[in-house]
Amino acid sequence: EVQVVESGGGLIQPGGSLRLSCAASGFTVSSDYMSWVRQAPGKGLEWVSIIYSGGSTYYADSVKGRFTISRDNSKNTLYLQMNSLRAEDTAVYYCARDRRKETIFEGMDVWGKGTTVTVSS
Amino acid sequence: DIQMTQSPSTLSASVGDRVTITCRASQSINSWLAWYQQKPGKAPKLLIYKASSLESGVPSRFSGSGSGTEFTLTISSLQPDDFATYYCQQYNSYSWTFGQGTKVEIK
Repeated sequence: EVQVVESGGGLIQPGGSLRLSCAASGFTVSSDYMSWVRQAPGKGLEWVSIIYSGGSTYYADSVKGRFTISRDNSKNTLYLQMNSLRAEDTAVYYCARDRRKETIFEGMDVWGKGTTVTVSS
Repeated sequence: DIQMTQSPSTLSASVGDRVTITCRASQSINSWLAWYQQKPGKAPKLLIYKASSLESGVPSRFSGSGSGTEFTLTISSLQPDDFATYYCQQYNSYSWTFGQGTKVEIK
């Protein structure tokens, strides 16, 4: 079964750091494009970051310079390192696969259940 | 950055109604648009990609259309399972953007 499972969320003080993990099964993270998407309480979806199969990475302006997306091919796992956390980073963080047919994007088709990050003193 | 604006923000409808949600892009995104359904406490679910391609397993009452800057999601006959929030998403640039969402409520 194709699935992803996020972990690593929790309560963290402003200015702190946290690393989220996304363990994939049924497909290979390094062969696909993988994104992080977040949702603040009661709010809509916000794209955070993407890593291409070739390794290129892109970030939303709101997290650029503070968050780093990476992957461990041997563990088939995606990560999001979050530094200098702010109250506005409080959200459920989802890991999602960007399905591609050749290079054509076909939507985010595999989502985890999310992991909750709360930034508060 | 490309902005996505959905309308309406909330929609009240009855079972069996035809429902249309609109998504407008601040600049042309060709057909690089996806639609998602999200229920409370759950992850989003892909419904439509490339503006009008139905995702496998999604009921045929869902359809998408449009190109350039204006897009629509139509539910031809609303079913009880369809009451949810719907989001559009553009991916025509290196900064993917979601619309603010449209909540479909029971009338």
